[in-house]
Amino acid sequence: DIQMTQSPYSLSASVGDRVTITCRASQSISSFLNWYQQKPGKAPKLLIFGTSNLHSGVSSRFSGSGSGTDFTLTISSLQPEDSATYYCQQSYTFFSFGGGTKVEIK
Amino acid sequence: EMQVVESGGGLVKPGGSLRLSCAASGVIFTNAWMSWVRQAPGKGLEWVGRIKSKADGGTTDYAAPVKGRFTIFRDDSKDTLYLHMNSLKTEDTAVYYCTTVPRYCRLGGCYPAAGDWGQGTLVTVSA
Repeated sequence: DIQMTQSPYSLSASVGDRVTITCRASQSISSFLNWYQQKPGKAPKLLIFGTSNLHSGVSSRFSGSGSGTDFTLTISSLQPEDSATYYCQQSYTFFSFGGGTKVEIK
Repeated sequence: EMQVVESGGGLVKPGGSLRLSCAASGVIFTNAWMSWVRQAPGKGLEWVGRIKSKADGGTTDYAAPVKGRFTIFRDDSKDTLYLHMNSLKTEDTAVYYCTTVPRYCRLGGCYPAAGDWGQGTLVTVSA
């Protein structure tokens, strides 16, 4: 099974800050890496698929990069509505998720 | 975009069984790959399993913690996905989400992802 490890576990940043979340796979997953956003009490929403492709309707302040085993999600200018938990997921072999990163606004 | 609505959650004793349903609408269910994802209270997301469309073989795959106990099946005539859970354990307590699994394509490749999610249904396993 492919294990996904995210860091940090949580972070607190100010509005307008640049925020970066990292995700590491236990083996190479090529570009089969997706990112999701989940707000409290809600189902997750797909943000990015295939490492760097924004899902329909997602703000361009979100971006993704990486390949192989190391990936990042970047929020270029943090907004209050970005307060949420973010999950990476590999889809190279079935699915598996990272543990999540909780993003809070200072 | 597909809409999915889960139902069937509730309280069940350890060792018991439960069947969840996921009613789909909005796109052609027959062609859709589907999955179940769960989230224990206060915890992260965990993939449970998936089922391919019948055109792609209709086969199922499961995560190790549920393999042999959980079964995913579909009734394309009713646009409904099911998750049958046997030998339930306290650690199976979670909100269970039904998701579509489309392949999103861009230059360079096509990537499966959990595209559309239901609101989830809570399963509590407790004596």
